[in-house]
Amino acid sequence: AQSVSQHNHHVILSEAASLELGCNYSYGGTVNLFWYVQYPGQHLQLLLKYFSGDPLVKGIKGFEAEFIKSKFSFNLRKPSVQWSDTAEYFCAVSPISSGSARQLTFGSGTQLTVLP
Amino acid sequence: DGGITQSPKYLFRKEGQNVTLSCEQNLNHDAMYWYRQDPGQGLRLIYYSQIVNDFQKGDIAEGYSVSREKKESFPLTVTSAQKNPTAFYLCASSPGSDLRARGYTFGSGTRLTVV
Repeated sequence: AQSVSQHNHHVILSEAASLELGCNYSYGGTVNLFWYVQYPGQHLQLLLKYFSGDPLVKGIKGFEAEFIKSKFSFNLRKPSVQWSDTAEYFCAVSPISSGSARQLTFGSGTQLTVLP
Repeated sequence: DGGITQSPKYLFRKEGQNVTLSCEQNLNHDAMYWYRQDPGQGLRLIYYSQIVNDFQKGDIAEGYSVSREKKESFPLTVTSAQKNPTAFYLCASSPGSDLRARGYTFGSGTRLTVV
């Protein structure tokens, strides 16, 4: 079975600092990769996704992630964080079998706190 | 607007009681999922259903049961057999077995507390 590791449980940054959240997965086959964000008191929302093609994907609110197949990684980045980025971030993986992607496996989440 | 409605938002249960959490979607999605969210553990899959009248166990199905009699509804019952039911429960749906469209759509969750 696949698994997802998020190395940082809680990250605290000042506004304008750069952000990188780590995500590694274990699965030998082809995967789809996702980052979700959960703002305080809100639904989980899709931040960005990777299916195929350019390994550098751009999402909403200035976030991007890079898929490095050789490292089984899909790290999330943002050049300059804002106070409004304070949220919990989840990496998720969906293995592809028989040409279609099925249920997601989530990492344990990273709580990001941005100080004004 | 289409979306997923979970009710109630907060639920209190006495030990030994069964309780059912509601999940309804009007997105015409084929697949529906139940996840449990605990601090520091992320989201863990309880049950999922790809089509009506069919569902499969996820990673932590013990102590839970589901039904899928209608496409738009996927209720979760937390039974008295669930040893540690206090948690935040999230329902999600997707267009089908292929998630490449946009991944999941999530509901706003139900917080269950055993008193």
